Amino acid sequence: DAMVIQNPRYQVTQFGKPVTLSCSQTLNHNVMYWYQQKSSQAPKLLFHYYDKDFNNEADTPDNFQSRRPNTSFCFLDIRSPGLGDAAMYLCATSRPAWPTYNEQFFGPGTRLTVL
Amino acid sequence: GESVGLHLPTLSVQEGDNSIINCAYSNSASDYFIWYKQESGKGPQFIIDIRSNMDKRQGQRVTVLLNKTVKHLSLQIAATQPGDSAVYFCADRVISNFGNEKLTFGTGTRLTIIP
Repeated sequence: DAMVIQNPRYQVTQFGKPVTLSCSQTLNHNVMYWYQQKSSQAPKLLFHYYDKDFNNEADTPDNFQSRRPNTSFCFLDIRSPGLGDAAMYLCATSRPAWPTYNEQFFGPGTRLTVL
Repeated sequence: GESVGLHLPTLSVQEGDNSIINCAYSNSASDYFIWYKQESGKGPQFIIDIRSNMDKRQGQRVTVLLNKTVKHLSLQIAATQPGDSAVYFCADRVISNFGNEKLTFGTGTRLTIIP
């Protein structure tokens, strides 16, 4: 089945220790998104790749970076995790077809714990 | 500023009854409104969308109503089942000048179906 896969599902890191979260997709979608979702809150867009073009949200901290080496994979790098970065990180993909809406497909998320 | 918010954080409904989840939005530039369902430990799952020039759209057991006059949308779920228990998010879509798509999610309503 075509899907969005996130690894690992659970990640524990230490304060200030860099961490990388992984997302892969078999949908061949050209857009990949990273969202941060804190407990009992809505997903918040951090950035997205439209093909190879990186699009950062204005309020995304510099501590968060992303890489997309190819169509299928996208990584979220947190350079120096703080306690406030503990959250669920969701990867999503889509193939936009403006003016209509093609749904964004979400992965199961990676829950990040910062000790 | 741009926001998509929900009126009620929690909702409990007897199995078999209908449920209505409400959402308010503020961005007049939104061209689509989307409902997502998020079960515990999973990523959001698309339910239904509605274009801003429509006022009603029906799916399987779900109906979305859009009232642009008061910037309000609702999700009606008919004949609720235990599997409907989840957090429901509304989201609005905006297309940037560069053609990028951005979803802004509301805070979510937790729906609990009582057997």
